Amino acid sequence: DAKTTQPPSMDCAEGRAANLPCNHSTISGNEYVYWYRQIHSQGPQYIIHGLKNNETNEMASLIITEDRKSSTLILPHATLRDTAVYYCIVRPPGGSQGNLIFGKGTKLSVKP
Amino acid sequence: DGGITQSPKYLFRKEGQNVTLSCEQNLNHDAMYWYRQDPGQGLRLIYYSQIVNDFQKGDIAEGYSVSREKKESFPLTVTSAQKNPTAFYLCASSISRGTSNQPQHFGDGTRLSIL
Repeated sequence: DAKTTQPPSMDCAEGRAANLPCNHSTISGNEYVYWYRQIHSQGPQYIIHGLKNNETNEMASLIITEDRKSSTLILPHATLRDTAVYYCIVRPPGGSQGNLIFGKGTKLSVKP
Repeated sequence: DGGITQSPKYLFRKEGQNVTLSCEQNLNHDAMYWYRQDPGQGLRLIYYSQIVNDFQKGDIAEGYSVSREKKESFPLTVTSAQKNPTAFYLCASSISRGTSNQPQHFGDGTRLSIL
């Protein structure tokens, strides 16, 4: 699976948009970009995924650059409950042995 | 509500004892997984199962065993052979492991500690 690079931490003011970047410059043509988040002492929560088109759901938007070497997760109106570690993962359909390789992620702190 | 239920939330094991962690899903997912997470670390795959009565070892299967007798259930036994079992254990499921791009969904985990 391709390696991803994320900033270790970010701050965001409550009510503002949180933009979390991810670099995946070695991504292969069939690999999808997935975003998860993990709130302390809970299981990871799936947020969104995409291949090359921008995606939006009730939680977030995913913007993937045209060359697919980077992406941005956007939480449009961050709340205190969005404070968590956010993980960007790239993997092909089905994955390798079903494994999800979580890096260190970005610790997002939403402040009042 | 559809989801993945792990129990218990906290579990304590005595030396030499086997313990079993429960994972149940009502999402009608084919594939199920067990991961282990250590403090400040990512997830490591213990076992996974694509279909009933079939399962494969992941990266760190030694000292663990699983069964998949029903589609909705995938219990994990931490045996006495696992010398460092203290960790956060996470169960996940997905529609199909094959060529699907569908994501894995996780339970809320079981935290296992040694007495």
